[in-house]
Amino acid sequence: DAGITQSPRYKITETGRQVTLMCHQTWSHSYMFWYRQDLGHGLRLIYYSAAADITDKGEVPDGYVVSRSKTENFPLTLESATRSQTSVYFCASSESQRAPYNEQFFGPGTRLTVL
Amino acid sequence: LAKTTQPISMDSYEGQEVNITCSHNNIATNDYITWYQQFPSQGPRFIIQGYKTKVTNEVASLFIPADRKSSTLSLPRVSLSDTAVYYCPYVSSNTGKLIFGQGTTLQVKP
Repeated sequence: DAGITQSPRYKITETGRQVTLMCHQTWSHSYMFWYRQDLGHGLRLIYYSAAADITDKGEVPDGYVVSRSKTENFPLTLESATRSQTSVYFCASSESQRAPYNEQFFGPGTRLTVL
Repeated sequence: LAKTTQPISMDSYEGQEVNITCSHNNIATNDYITWYQQFPSQGPRFIIQGYKTKVTNEVASLFIPADRKSSTLSLPRVSLSDTAVYYCPYVSSNTGKLIFGQGTTLQVKP
């Protein structure tokens, strides 16, 4: 399927477990982003990537790890999940960082619950 | 950290024109102004983007004054399906990062 997909869509895990959220895009966009959305906080940027093997921190990176070995994939790993990481996670991609090609396309989201 | 400011919520009725304003006090010379829309249980969706003056597409119009310190998103003749959260995130022209605020929750009533 063309576009940007996330898996799983729903995940329940326990405190201390490692969890990996997957993101895949078919456009060969250079830029990819991970956001989390919590009630009362809007969307907050966790990590972003300008190209394969290039990643950088966003607003709230603590407790998360990312990698980007291939342009189309950008997995997000919670190394030791905590209850405060219960959230909805959105992945996004864009062709460029410069307008007018910087429109970000968002995935459907992953709802993660940490018990 | 550069950010934008917008009203938390707005109410409107079907068929009315809705104008949502955003303050961009820290906007840089090369930054564009961008608006996104988000429906419940979905990811945000790009609506419109502009640099100055007025931009119009099939969904909305965007008005940007000469000093570029603010912008107004205009939705003509809203319907119930326009009920959503509207964001005017800060957009970094160097990295492409979006810094979202809490957005404006628009409630359209019949």
